[in-house]
Amino acid sequence: DAGVTQSPTHLIKTRGQQVTLRCSPISGHKSVSWYQQVLGQGPQFIFQYYEKEERGRGNFPDRFSARQFPNYSSELNVNALLLGDSALYLCASSLEVGDTEAFFGQGTRLTVV
Amino acid sequence: AQSVTQPDIHITVSEGASLELRCNYSYGATPYLFWYVQSPGQGLQLLLKYFSGDTLVQGIKGFEAEFKRSQSSFNLRKPSVHWSDAAEYFCAVGFNFGNEKLTFGTGTRLTIIP
Repeated sequence: DAGVTQSPTHLIKTRGQQVTLRCSPISGHKSVSWYQQVLGQGPQFIFQYYEKEERGRGNFPDRFSARQFPNYSSELNVNALLLGDSALYLCASSLEVGDTEAFFGQGTRLTVV
Repeated sequence: AQSVTQPDIHITVSEGASLELRCNYSYGATPYLFWYVQSPGQGLQLLLKYFSGDTLVQGIKGFEAEFKRSQSSFNLRKPSVHWSDAAEYFCAVGFNFGNEKLTFGTGTRLTIIP
């Protein structure tokens, strides 16, 4: 079975640009979460979506937005990129919201120059 | 505020020696607790989790962790490490319902020496 897949794997953008990151959850998983991992730190929660509805949002500016599609895949958008947005962006999927395991993808490495 | 602390930034252990990685959390109720491992350039792999019940939890790759409510701790242990265990280890806590809004510690980098 395919795990959580994220695309692209690497990305270089210029300050001020916009970026879209994509995530396909494990088949049958309805919940998708996004995390930002800055080099040398632990992942930080950005968003969680369940059944296409936003379930939770972390402490990130409005430049960050996301959505979940009917097939449960998800996109994370970041506008007006800053150098500080350079990070590994991780997507995690789980069967349901609650006491089920969250499976992480390999991440998208975003570099803002 | 809810928080997770991993006091050890970097630990070096000889191959075959025992290992304990520390994790403390700050929260008013019993949280959902996880340990993840991350190899360089990779995503996170779940080692084990605690939701309720027996406070000693067995995981994959020979790891175990013990939840101690009185100490607000969830330390990860392995009796004998292998060179392949070298990686970054993250403790995480779900403060709402399980997998929601995981809060991660800053990680402990484990180096194995021959």
